[in-house]
Parts: sequence; structure tokens; C-alpha cells
Amino acid sequence: EAAVTQSPRNKVAVTGGKVTLSCNQTNNHNNMYWYRQDTGHGLRLIHYSYGAGSTEKGDIPDGYKASRPSQENFSLILELATPSQTSVYFCASGDGLGGDEQYFGPGTRLTVL
Amino acid sequence: GEKVEQHESTLSVREGDSAVINCTYTDTASSYFPWYKQEAGKGLHFVIDIRSNVDRKQSQRLIVLLDKKAKRFSLHITATQPEDSAIYFCAASGASNYQLIWGSGTKLIIKP
Repeated sequence: EAAVTQSPRNKVAVTGGKVTLSCNQTNNHNNMYWYRQDTGHGLRLIHYSYGAGSTEKGDIPDGYKASRPSQENFSLILELATPSQTSVYFCASGDGLGGDEQYFGPGTRLTVL
Repeated sequence: GEKVEQHESTLSVREGDSAVINCTYTDTASSYFPWYKQEAGKGLHFVIDIRSNVDRKQSQRLIVLLDKKAKRFSLHITATQPEDSAIYFCAASGASNYQLIWGSGTKLIIKP
């Protein structure tokens, strides 16, 4: 069974603070993704990665950085968190680009006060 | 940029009836159309997909139809059961780098 885990599951941060969301996958997938989910918008892609050492900008990368230090781990970093970044964040992994089944983590609920 | 519109934000059907969720897309180059299910408080999981070389695909009670001319695809769930209650998301592959563009989700409610 494919497994994607995220930590923390819930996070409250202050405006201007730094937030790191972590994702780990045991699927040995090359591709990993970070999305945010907001009511009425579905999922929007923030950053993605083709493999260790690579990060690519998605559709809404502003205000976010990503890091892929290994095949298994993919982090999303908010250097200066803002209230507009309050959302639910999902990490996913997959074998191919777009046209592959993606396996999602359980999500992280981030609140920026 | 490409958009995927999911037309029903909420859909309520009686248990045992069929449910149909419709999506449209804008980019004629899209070639991959998956559907995902999200149960309350959980991440999404894949349910079925269709590629542009076919116009119909079935997996047990799930049927996906693709109309490339109308740029429309739909998920049909037959003989609905209580466990089908969830939010369903459609998506389409983006033309530029084959990322997925997502619809906004349809909350499916199965009434007893």
C-alpha cells in the first residue's frame, strides 16, 4: 500500500514567522507535489519535484519554497507566513508527470494568525 | 491558462440511484482525466481515470465518459451506496508540462 505521511497535521503560526511542512513517501516515486486546498478552488499546485535535488514552480509558488533532499522527503517552506496562506496543504507522490495516479497524504491544516 | 470547471458543487441522490458529476475543460491538448475521492478529514485517493484515446471506461460501478468535441467528461456512479458519500474531484492534464488542473469538487450525498 502506497504511503504518504505529512507532519505536522495541524499548525498555528504567527504572521511573519517561518513554517516548514514536511512530507515523507515510502512509494519510491520520483515525483512529489505540494498542493493547497481552499473552498471553491479545488487543489492548486504550489511546487513539485522530479526527484532528489529538484524543485519546480507550480501554479501558485509565490511566498513558498520547496526542498527535496532525498527521494523520500519533500518539504514546503513558508519563510514569512501571511494570513492568506491559511489553508489545508496536501503532499502527493506519483510515478509520472500529470498522467499518473497520485497518492496523497492526509493533509496539514495551517492557520496563520 | 487552462481551467477545469466542475458544475455541481453538491449532488444529492437516493441510495441505489445513479449519480452523475460533470466537468468541462478548456485546453484541447489535455489527454488525461482522473477522478479522485475525498472522504471527510482525509486526503484524496484515486478512483478512476480516462485517457483521450478512448471515450468510455468502466470499473465496477464507476463509469467515465469523455466527449472531446464538447471538452466534457463525466463520472457516473451506478447503484449508489452510503460509502459513496464524499467529495469528488475531477482533473485534467495541463498541456505545457502535464501537471494536473483540478476542478473545485462536488460533494455527493447519498440519502437513505
